[in-house]
Amino acid sequence: ELKVEQNPLFLSMQEGKNYTIYCNYSTTSDRLYWYRQDPGKSLESLFVLLSNGAVKQEGRLMASLDTKARLSTLHITAAVHDLSATYFCAVGVQGGSEKLVFGKGMKLTVNP
Amino acid sequence: DVKVTQSSRYLVKRTGEKVFLECVQDMDHENMFWYRQDPGLGLRLIYFSYDVKMKEKGDIPEGYSVSREKKERFSLILESASTNQTSMYLCASSRWDRGHEQYFGPGTRLTVT
Repeated sequence: ELKVEQNPLFLSMQEGKNYTIYCNYSTTSDRLYWYRQDPGKSLESLFVLLSNGAVKQEGRLMASLDTKARLSTLHITAAVHDLSATYFCAVGVQGGSEKLVFGKGMKLTVNP
Repeated sequence: DVKVTQSSRYLVKRTGEKVFLECVQDMDHENMFWYRQDPGLGLRLIYFSYDVKMKEKGDIPEGYSVSREKKERFSLILESASTNQTSMYLCASSRWDRGHEQYFGPGTRLTVT
């Protein structure tokens, strides 16, 4: 059974700082997605990672995937307050299914 | 832009009532999903559908059923609502091809009293 763990679950950081958050998963997969959720809102797709070594960047966020280590990282560069949100990673179930298994989410607060 | 809409943003129902949550997508997506989101538990899949009239159970199907009579519409049914079904319900859709991300609706916050 596929399990997805995010680490940390809560992060408070100062504006201008860098940080990396982690998403580990328990069984083979080569599809990983990062989503952002603002309070009271729905999930918005950030990154789609579909192969080992995939790296995607958008603004101050960069995501990467290591399928051998079953690990994805989301790196935050020079954080700004607007990045405050909850970030979810989701991993695709192998075997032809379109199912995703989500992590519990990481709540990020960026303080001025 | 993909648009996924849900019939209600907020809903209050009594224990034992039959509840219908509706989801409509406008991008001709084959796959549709229902999740519930609870604090500290993340998103959990209730049911999904990969074609009209086709459905598969997710991780927590107990107490729920679904209906997909048209490609664009996927309904979640609570046959007899209970207080432990108070939650945020999120609908999502995606194309059939592998790797395509899921697009989410705005969510329905259901309270069962």
